[in-house]
Parts: sequence; C-alpha cells; structure tokens
Amino acid sequence: GAVVSQHPSRVICKSGTSVKIECRSLDFQATTMFWYRQFPKKSLMLMATSNEGSKATYEQGVEKDKFLINHASLTLSTLTVTSAHPEDSSFYICSARPTRSEAFFGQGTRLTVV
Amino acid sequence: GDSVTQMEGPVTLSEEACLTINCTYTATGYPSLFWYVQYPGEGLQLLLKATKADDKGSNKGFEATYRKETTSFHLEKGSVQVSDSAVYFCALSEGQAGTALIFGKGTTLSVSS
Repeated sequence: GAVVSQHPSRVICKSGTSVKIECRSLDFQATTMFWYRQFPKKSLMLMATSNEGSKATYEQGVEKDKFLINHASLTLSTLTVTSAHPEDSSFYICSARPTRSEAFFGQGTRLTVV
Repeated sequence: GDSVTQMEGPVTLSEEACLTINCTYTATGYPSLFWYVQYPGEGLQLLLKATKADDKGSNKGFEATYRKETTSFHLEKGSVQVSDSAVYFCALSEGQAGTALIFGKGTTLSVSS
C-alpha cells in the first residue's frame, strides 16, 4: 500500500533554533499534503495544507511565519519550525490523500524544544 | 462546518470484553468515514473505512457501519485483546482526493489481561 515517510521521528532542539521535518510519499505523487499537530490530550489539529508548486494554505490561528511549509516536488513536503520555543514542543504528523477513500500518515515527529 | 464527536475516554476493559466507541458526525454532504488507530509513539494507521450509507467497514475484528439516519459510525469489537490498547480516532472527509480529514478527539482504549 501507499506509504508516507516522515523524518526525523524525534528531534530535540534549543530555543531559538529552527527545525525541519520532511514528509515524503514513497510510491505515489502527492500534489497536496497535510500537516497536523497533535496535542497532549490526543486531538489532531490541521495546521496547513501543503500545495506542490504554490503557497501553503494555513488554518486559522496558525502562524505562517513560524511554521514554514515548502512543497517543492510531487513527493516531498517540508515543515520548518522557525525560532522554536518550548510551547512548540509537540507531535507533528504529515498526511497525504491520493484517493478519495484513504489518507496515509507519516510516522510522526516528536519535537522537544529545550 | 463539518465535525466529528467521539466518546471521551479512557475506556478500560478486560481482555475478551466487548468494545463500542461511539462516533457521530456533522456534515453538509455525504462524507467518507474512517477509523484510525494510533499505537504509542507511532503515527496513525487506517483501521477501517466506509464511503457511503449502510456500508460496513471491517478489519482485525473491528467493525463500523455508516448510519446516515443517525449520522453515526460507531466502532465495535466483540472480544478485545491487550494488543488493541491504543488511541482510536474517528474521522470524516467530504471531499475528493487531496482534501484533509477532520478528526474527532480520539479515545484511549486500555485492555488488561
């Protein structure tokens, strides 16, 4: 089946630094990918929709200058958390939906900002 | 807008007990419905799905039936195992490929032997 690979699975960074998370579709092309943030009480919040070759679409309340999204190819989207702060610590998950009937998710990235 | 409501957890069961996790949705059209499972420290895996009314999705002993009249998609399993301990998410999408899923808040299931 279709696979979405996300890297890294865990990252620890210092406050003020930037962190890049990659999301790749391994056996299909994805013109659109999605970035979610999972909070401690489990809920998944859609942060933004990544569009290949054009600007990402951010959900209300998500800072586009803090969470930079680049979708440079049909198989790769990246999320960069800029000037990270401890409150950005979270579990980030990417997703792609190549067909109507299924969405595929990356393994997630646990970000800890110290 | 569209939304998904699922029962709050945690749900704690003994092995071989019956499981029901309720899920209801609000949508303007005819969404596809999904159950995803998340094991500790991992991403989400599709458990089952249904794309139209009265469809029954099933996988690994879990079942859910798309009930348009009650706007529900309850997850059931007749006999749970310790290995079923995980977080379960109900989700919907009204769109075609390339449309994000909308998730419920997740229900934690803990099964003890």
